[in-house]
Amino acid sequence: GENVEQHPSTLSVQEGDSAVIKCTYSDSASNYFPWYKQELGKRPQLIIDIRSNVGEKKDQRIAVTLNKTAKHFSLHITETQPEDSAVYFCAASIASGGSYIPTFGRGTSLIVHP
Amino acid sequence: DAGVTQSPTHLIKTRGQQVTLRCSPKSGHDTVSWYQQALGQGPQFIFQYYEEEERQRGNFPDRFSGHQFPNYSSELNVNALLLGDSALYLCASSLRVGVAKNIQYFGAGTRLSVL
Repeated sequence: GENVEQHPSTLSVQEGDSAVIKCTYSDSASNYFPWYKQELGKRPQLIIDIRSNVGEKKDQRIAVTLNKTAKHFSLHITETQPEDSAVYFCAASIASGGSYIPTFGRGTSLIVHP
Repeated sequence: DAGVTQSPTHLIKTRGQQVTLRCSPKSGHDTVSWYQQALGQGPQFIFQYYEEEERQRGNFPDRFSGHQFPNYSSELNVNALLLGDSALYLCASSLRVGVAKNIQYFGAGTRLSVL
């Protein structure tokens, strides 16, 4: 099955700095890659996603890049703010039986210091 | 428009007992997936229901079973509880077809503690 590795497990930055979280996946059949943000005690929320026919996608301060050849994808957050502090999960999804079943990474705890 | 709702929010059980967790999907969604999230880990896929049938299943034992009702709501049942079943159980709903298909929206989860 699919295996997703996520690094780093913890990332501490100063407000205004950029943050980068990296994930690798094992199954070249994966073709949908969502990123979720989970604040303490709250539900995971989709913040951005990318499909395998696209190399990069940007939404305001957040961007995701995908390298299919190397089987890795990254989340970039610019001009970080204290409210960006949360756990971020990447996932790789394979279409199976008409649906996408995501395999999640173990998460990155992002701490933004004011 | 209500999002994904789960009940109860917290539950305490003892080893060997059985538990039922409930999920109502986001309005208009037809597919429900269940995940187990252990402390400090990412969500792990348990199974997915569509048209009242289990369509996909992750690497979980038969003690984990589910059901989907005609109104698309779903239940997760766990029998013969083990200490290791203590976790946050998340429900996610999605659409099977359409532009936004397969984008999963999560509920807030049920925190299960097995003593």
